[in-house]
Amino acid sequence: GNSVTQMEGPVTLSEEAFLTINCTYTATGYPSLFWYVQYPGEGLQLLLKATKADDKGSNKGFEATYRKETTSFHLEKGSVQVSDSAVYFCALRGSGGSNYKLTFGKGTLLTVNP
Amino acid sequence: GAGVSQSPSNKVTEKGKDVELRCDPISGHTALYWYRQRLGQGLEFLIYFQGNSAPDKSGLPSDRFSAERTGESVSTLTIQRTQQEDSAVYLCASSSFHRAGTEAFFGQGTRLTVV
Repeated sequence: GNSVTQMEGPVTLSEEAFLTINCTYTATGYPSLFWYVQYPGEGLQLLLKATKADDKGSNKGFEATYRKETTSFHLEKGSVQVSDSAVYFCALRGSGGSNYKLTFGKGTLLTVNP
Repeated sequence: GAGVSQSPSNKVTEKGKDVELRCDPISGHTALYWYRQRLGQGLEFLIYFQGNSAPDKSGLPSDRFSAERTGESVSTLTIQRTQQEDSAVYLCASSSFHRAGTEAFFGQGTRLTVV
């Protein structure tokens, strides 16, 4: 079945540092890939997505590129802020039949210190 | 409504009691998911409904857990004879089936505490 493996946390950075959270996946066919974010005390919300190979999703300064050759969708941000402190989840949605269900990674807790 | 609505937002129950959690998806969304999130943990898939297809129940942890969905509307997740390890936030999400790249929208969750 489909699976997502993401970097274990927690990750602690200073403000303005560069962020990478690794995410790799296993899936048949052509899945769509997502990053969700969960800010403290809030529900999950979509951060960005990519639906085909070489697509780049971007939002709020975050970027991730769908790399089919390495089955990866790493999340990056050039300069993090304290307000980026949250849990980040990588997810995929398969194609066809029951594969349409969303499969999530375990989440990575990011703490940004001033 | 504008988003996915879950009720109750908080539920405290005694061990051994049954509980029922409700999810109202976004109107028109054919896919509905239930996940469980234990404190400090990731999202654990429970069950997936897609239109009139048979639901994917592969994530239900035991036969104490069941879920129903009426058509493309409300879903209820029922936990019978609750145990302390059932304490978690139960999240519901819905999405449109029509395109694979469509995102899922999450509710705020029901925080279940079994005492």
